[in-house]
Amino acid sequence: KQEVTQIPAALSVPEGENLVLNCSFTDSAIYNLQWFRQDPGKGLTSLLLIQSSQREQTSGRLNASLDKSSGRSTLYIAASQPGDSATYLCAVRDPTDSWGKLQFGAGTQVVVTP
Amino acid sequence: NAGVTQTPKFQVLKTGQSMTLQCAQDMNHEYMSWYRQDPGMGLRLIHYSVGAGITDQGEVPNGYNVSRSTTEDFPLRLLSAAPSQTSVYFCASSLTQGANTEAFFGQGTRLTVV
Repeated sequence: KQEVTQIPAALSVPEGENLVLNCSFTDSAIYNLQWFRQDPGKGLTSLLLIQSSQREQTSGRLNASLDKSSGRSTLYIAASQPGDSATYLCAVRDPTDSWGKLQFGAGTQVVVTP
Repeated sequence: NAGVTQTPKFQVLKTGQSMTLQCAQDMNHEYMSWYRQDPGMGLRLIHYSVGAGITDQGEVPNGYNVSRSTTEDFPLRLLSAAPSQTSVYFCASSLTQGANTEAFFGQGTRLTVV
């Protein structure tokens, strides 16, 4: 069974510092990996989608890498801002069943201090 | 562009009551699903649908029922609410399965069963 792990569970950084968030998964046979942001009491907002054939994706200050062979993805957020404070979740789309369901990590809670 | 819309946003039920959580998407997505989010447990799949008239169980289906009569709507029914069903419920949709499939989530329904 696919297991997705995010370490650390919580992270606090001063404004301006780069953020590095980790996601690991046990089965490298994935369709894709998606990073989400969740603000307190809110829904999930999609940040980046990396297809299984891709090594990285970029959007503005965000860059996500994917290394399927080692079962890892890293989300980099450059020059962090207080508005980046949120919980970040990664999810892999697993092809082991006919639908390709999402398997989520537990998330990393980020606080960016002014 | 509404995306995925969930109603209600908040609900308090008494044990034994039944209710329906509504989910609608306007993106003509084939795939829709329901997750629950609990502290320390992450997001877990309840039920999913790969198209109108087709539904299947996820990880934690007991106590919930679904149907999909149209492409747009995927309601989740709680048959007889229990305190263990206190949770935040998220509906998600995606166009197809495969490597370039991005999942979109609603804003969630916060349910308390007393």
